[in-house]
Amino acid sequence: AQTVTQSQPEMSVQEAETVTLSCTYDTSENNYYLFWYKQPPSRQMILVIRQEAYKQQNATENRFSVNFQKAAKSFSLKISDSQLGDTAMYFCAFMTNTGANSKLTFGKGITLSVRP
Amino acid sequence: DSGVTQTPKHLITATGQRVTLRCSPRSGDLSVYWYQQSLDQGLQFLIQYYNGEERAKGNILERFSAQQFPDLHSELNLSSLELGDSALYFCASSVVGSGAHTDTQYFGPGTRLTVL
Repeated sequence: AQTVTQSQPEMSVQEAETVTLSCTYDTSENNYYLFWYKQPPSRQMILVIRQEAYKQQNATENRFSVNFQKAAKSFSLKISDSQLGDTAMYFCAFMTNTGANSKLTFGKGITLSVRP
Repeated sequence: DSGVTQTPKHLITATGQRVTLRCSPRSGDLSVYWYQQSLDQGLQFLIQYYNGEERAKGNILERFSAQQFPDLHSELNLSSLELGDSALYFCASSVVGSGAHTDTQYFGPGTRLTVL
């Protein structure tokens, strides 16, 4: 079974600064996908970024980028030029690629506060 | 807006009662997933349907059941409700649901269930 660990429960960052959120996972599979989802106070789950395990290049979406270290089973999210609207809970998630199903396994989340 | 709709947004009911949560997937998506988000259990996968057929089951109680209809909308039925069933229930949808590279899950706004 896969597990996803987010060990930092809370983080705070000054507006316009850069922050990195950590995530580690455990799996015996070689092909899989990793995601970061954002949950603002509205409680909506919003996809931030996605990484395919077979790709060596780290995914980037505007101000959001990941540092994917497959051997270390680490998948951190870097938010550059933090904005007040980035205040939210962030969840790291794992999805297998075995073909049977594609359920998401989530970490416990980290609460990020962006200070003005 | 993810394109996934869920009704109702809020539901307040009493212990022992039965409720039905409804989800309509994004246009073109064949797979529907149900997740439960509670304070003590975090985000947990309940069940997945693909084109009307059950594909995967997670930590879903026997008191809970789901189905996906020919028009691809899905319903999650919760019966003999207990206080501990109070949670945010999310529906998500994806194109296929087999771990393919296109299988990014997009979430609906959720239904907040309160059991008194």
